[in-house]
Amino acid sequence: QSVLTQPPSASGTPGQRVTISCSGSSSNIGSKTANWYQQLPGTAPKLLIYSNNRRPSGVPDRFSGSKSGTSASLAISGLQSEDEADYYCAAWDDSLNGPVFGGGTKLTVL
Amino acid sequence: EVQLVESGGAVVQPGGSLRLSCAASGFTFDDDTMHWVRQAPGKGLEWVSLIGWDGGNTFYADSVKGRFTISRDNSKNSLYLQMNSLRTEDTALYYCVKDKGGYDGLDYWGQGTLVTVSS
Repeated sequence: QSVLTQPPSASGTPGQRVTISCSGSSSNIGSKTANWYQQLPGTAPKLLIYSNNRRPSGVPDRFSGSKSGTSASLAISGLQSEDEADYYCAAWDDSLNGPVFGGGTKLTVL
Repeated sequence: EVQLVESGGAVVQPGGSLRLSCAASGFTFDDDTMHWVRQAPGKGLEWVSLIGWDGGNTFYADSVKGRFTISRDNSKNSLYLQMNSLRTEDTALYYCVKDKGGYDGLDYWGQGTLVTVSS
C-alpha cells in the first residue's frame, strides 16, 4: 500500500491531453512540494517535474504539474506515442524523514 | 555528465547478507545527499534509505530499519548499502540516486543492480 494514491492506469489518443492525479496527506504533499517521475519500459526513472510545477532542462513543456492542498496533478498535452510509460508522484514525508512515492500510473497511448 | 553505477547485486539465500556499491562521477559527490530506492519485479518504487552529504544523517524505511546500513566514502565518490538478514521480500532492483536538494526530488538515477533473495 503506497503512501501516495494514484490511479493505476490512464490512456489517451495522440494529440490529446491527459491528467494523472496524486493524493497525499498533511505530512507530505500538504506541507512539501510534489515531484513526478517518468519510467519508460526497461529504464530507470527520470525526474520529470519538481517543486510542483518546474521542469528540469530537456523536459518538453507539454508536461506540466500543479498542486492544491494535499493533492497534485500531472498533465500531458499533445500526447505522443513515446509518452507511453509509468508515471510516479512523490514528495518528502516529515513522518518518514524520507521521500514517499505513489503506486504509479501506467499511461497507454491508444 | 553525471554517472551513477551500481554493483554488488546477486542471488542470496534468506537470512544472508550482501553489500551494494555505487560509484559516482560527474558532480561534486560530497555536496549531495544520496539515496537507495528499490523496485520489486513488476512493482512500484520504494524508498529505502538516505545519507547526508557528510554521512552524519541517515534515515531508513521501516521495512529495512535494523537490517540495512547506508554509508558513503567521499574520498572514493562511493555510496554503499550493507544488507543483512535478507528476506524474500527484499528481492528488487536497487537504484543509487542523487538528491536534487531542497525537497526538489531525485535528479539522477543509476541503472540499478538486481538483488534476488531465494532459497
